[in-house]
Amino acid sequence: AQSVTQPDIHITVSEGASLELRCNYSYGATPYLFWYVQSPGQGLQLLLKYFSGDTLVQGIKGFEAEFKRSQSSFNLRKPSVHWSDAAEYFCAVASTGTASKLTFGTGTRLQVTL
Amino acid sequence: KAGVTQTPRYLIKTRGQQVTLSCSPISGHRSVSWYQQTPGQGLQFLFEYFSETQRNKGNFPGRFSGRQFSNSRSEMNVSTLELGDSALYLCASSPRTMGNTEAFFGQGTRLTVV
Repeated sequence: AQSVTQPDIHITVSEGASLELRCNYSYGATPYLFWYVQSPGQGLQLLLKYFSGDTLVQGIKGFEAEFKRSQSSFNLRKPSVHWSDAAEYFCAVASTGTASKLTFGTGTRLQVTL
Repeated sequence: KAGVTQTPRYLIKTRGQQVTLSCSPISGHRSVSWYQQTPGQGLQFLFEYFSETQRNKGNFPGRFSGRQFSNSRSEMNVSTLELGDSALYLCASSPRTMGNTEAFFGQGTRLTVV
């Protein structure tokens, strides 16, 4: 069965600093990978996705992620964090056969200090 | 294009009652998935409907059921509510159920069981 691990429950960064959120997945074949962001009491917004091809994917709000098959990772990065980026971030995996069935990690809560 | 619409946004029910939640997907999307989000269990897949047929099901008791109508709108029903059913229920719509597809989430319905 597929699974996702987000090892960091909570991360605090200063505004303007760089950010990297870790995500490791377990899946037999090439997975579909996603990063979502959730503000308190809100739904999930898709930041970026990886299906195939270029392993460095660009998303909205200045985020990017890199798929590393050898490390089973799909880490999310942003070069300069803004206070409005404070939220909870979820990594998710899906299979090609059931692409709309997502398995989520436990999430990383990002706090941004001014 | 209008996003995914979930109604109601908030709901308070008593143990033993039943509840029905509604989801209107993005126009043209035929796949609707439901997720339960709780602090303890995180985001868990409930089920997915595509063209009025349940295509995938998560590991939830039979008290949780759903259906999809010909216009792709979906409803989720929980019977004999338990305190542990208190959660944010999220609906996601996708254009397809397989292949390169992404899920777009609604704002969710916050269900509180007392």
